[in-house]
Amino acid sequence: RKEVEQDPGPFNVPEGATVAFNCTYSNSASQSFFWYRQDCRKEPKLLMSVYSSGNEDGRFTAQLNRASQYISLLIRDSKLSDSATYLCVVNGGGSYIPTFGRGTSLIVHP
Amino acid sequence: SQTIHQWPATLVQPVGSPLSLECTVEGTSNPNLYWYRQAAGRGLQLLFYSVGIGQISSEVPQNLSASRPQDRQFILSSKKLLLSDSGFYLCASFSRTDTQYFGPGTRLTVL
Repeated sequence: RKEVEQDPGPFNVPEGATVAFNCTYSNSASQSFFWYRQDCRKEPKLLMSVYSSGNEDGRFTAQLNRASQYISLLIRDSKLSDSATYLCVVNGGGSYIPTFGRGTSLIVHP
Repeated sequence: SQTIHQWPATLVQPVGSPLSLECTVEGTSNPNLYWYRQAAGRGLQLLFYSVGIGQISSEVPQNLSASRPQDRQFILSSKKLLLSDSGFYLCASFSRTDTQYFGPGTRLTVL
């Protein structure tokens, strides 16, 4: 079983839609969680950290469910500029090495 | 905040030629540093990481090597490139807030 799993998509949604991605992780000792965004042919960039209490940044909401070992990202009122690949990242559990998911592709169309 | 520099941005090299990619980090000291490779349409593959000067851990056996001659400098090298070495090479640093930052990457094409 892969350590961090994501649905690769693509998720094809119209502008204004709400879309949600999930990411599951296998290491119950994981301590920190992040969502990154990667545009085509660019480096990944931090979108937001995921806290136990959940956190919101504008149209983006991230949630952590430790019991079920998954994190989620909700994007409201999708914009064309949200089209990208969203990477789930899990850190900790005694390792220096963050574990990346393969990414979920989002395409927002007019 | 941290800034990661990588160069060159794009590189086209013939099979069998050597390679040297450099990464430098500003805005932090004693960072953990990482080299990743991303093939077209694929996920990130960790190649090497370093927790300090001269300390290199290899994740994937291959014809690449890495060195860390200074605290904020990380170099990826090869003596003879293979076609399969083509990809997008990313240097990353692990911050004190447990967040990874990436450099802009080098797109390598081996012909």
